[in-house]
Amino acid sequence: EVQLVESGGGLVQPGGSLRLSCAASGFTFRSQAMSWARQAPGKGLEWVAAISGSGAYTYYADSVKGRFTISRDSAKNTLFLQMNSLSAEDTAVYYCAKCPGSTSYGSLEYWGRGTLVTVSS
Amino acid sequence: DVVMTQSPLSLPVTLGQPASISCKSSQSLVYSDGNTYLNWFQQRPGQSPRRLIYKVSNRDSGVPDRFTGSGSGTDFTLKISRVEAEDVGVYYCMQGTHWPLTFGQGTKVEIK
Repeated sequence: EVQLVESGGGLVQPGGSLRLSCAASGFTFRSQAMSWARQAPGKGLEWVAAISGSGAYTYYADSVKGRFTISRDSAKNTLFLQMNSLSAEDTAVYYCAKCPGSTSYGSLEYWGRGTLVTVSS
Repeated sequence: DVVMTQSPLSLPVTLGQPASISCKSSQSLVYSDGNTYLNWFQQRPGQSPRRLIYKVSNRDSGVPDRFTGSGSGTDFTLKISRVEAEDVGVYYCMQGTHWPLTFGQGTKVEIK
């Protein structure tokens, strides 16, 4: 059974940084592309970033490009999202999601339960 | 960016009656490999999203057959043949053909 468990969320001040983690199990992590998506309170879904199975290729939404970095540690079956220069607009539940293949990003087939990031002074 | 436009945004339905959600994209979602990466997700209250349909019409394992996806090019539809109480929630379409991946605004399905 595929399991994705996010952690690392919390309250951070504007301009601050946070690193999210996603522990994956139930599939061969190193061969699957992964994504992060987010959902602001009471709002819809927004894709944030994706990374290939090898980690060689990364993709970002314009809203986070230059501030967020997606990475992975296949030895630990863990996906990361380093978030810098945070603003109130980044307040959201952040979801980790599994893509269908190593370099196949056309879908988000499994989602974690999410971790809440609140940016506020 | 590809804009995904869903309608309606709110859909009150009587139990046992059909429901239909439209999703239109601002560009064709046919990829160079011939596939159309159009997905549908269900988000029940207080839960994370769950994929129902991928590549327009492929139902995920465990998804009831009352859910049907159809469409092509830029025009897509999710149909629920007979709405049940457990179908209450918000439904999103998402395109995975073009970067960045983009979602529709969501359609809230509720029971009348």
